[in-house]
Amino acid sequence: DQQVKQNSPSLSVQEGRISILNCDYTNSMFDYFLWYKKYPAEGPTFLISISSIKDKNEDGRFTVFLNKSAKHLSLHIVPSQPGDSAVYFCAASGAQFYFGTGTSLTVIP
Amino acid sequence: NAGVTQTPKFQVLKTGQSMTLQCAQDMNHEYMSWYRQDPGMGLRLIHYSVGAGITDQGEVPNGYNVSRSTTEDFPLRLLSAAPSQTSVYFCASSRDRNYQPQHFGDGTRLSIL
Repeated sequence: DQQVKQNSPSLSVQEGRISILNCDYTNSMFDYFLWYKKYPAEGPTFLISISSIKDKNEDGRFTVFLNKSAKHLSLHIVPSQPGDSAVYFCAASGAQFYFGTGTSLTVIP
Repeated sequence: NAGVTQTPKFQVLKTGQSMTLQCAQDMNHEYMSWYRQDPGMGLRLIHYSVGAGITDQGEVPNGYNVSRSTTEDFPLRLLSAAPSQTSVYFCASSRDRNYQPQHFGDGTRLSIL
């Protein structure tokens, strides 16, 4: 059973607007969460992370929000740029790392 | 800055053949891991290692072997390839297993006929 879920396979956003990518998890023992970005024919690249003791972490245009009671994680990208077009994976860590199935983001110029 | 290097980039095998996917990192990372990526399945952990001489199974270990004789290298072995092992394989490393993001290689695309 999938322990980390990304229910939106794809998302399209206009350049300059906000992109919101969502992720849900089932295991309350997860204590570290990450977002990765992946371009075709390349490996995933680390974007931003958050530990379970926080509910928000910012890095430039990227902000990750964690709602532990809802077991929900989201990534906000503001403003979105065409170069942000990629597949985004969320991941959660407990004893092992678990990845979601990915959301393909397209930023339209 | 090599980071995590995977070889080969592409490989085609016949059912029943064996092969080793190579992974090397030059960052002196203790934690290394192997994932496979399949359509609609995300990345799934195959095996991982928390240091030289120590390996453990991940979510989908069947059909794969690993060893970790040095800090730098973490090869993945397919002893008898099956079509179900057709996938893209990624190797990753991090300083340790706790609260550290992993650095990924660019993957090996493996097809088994």
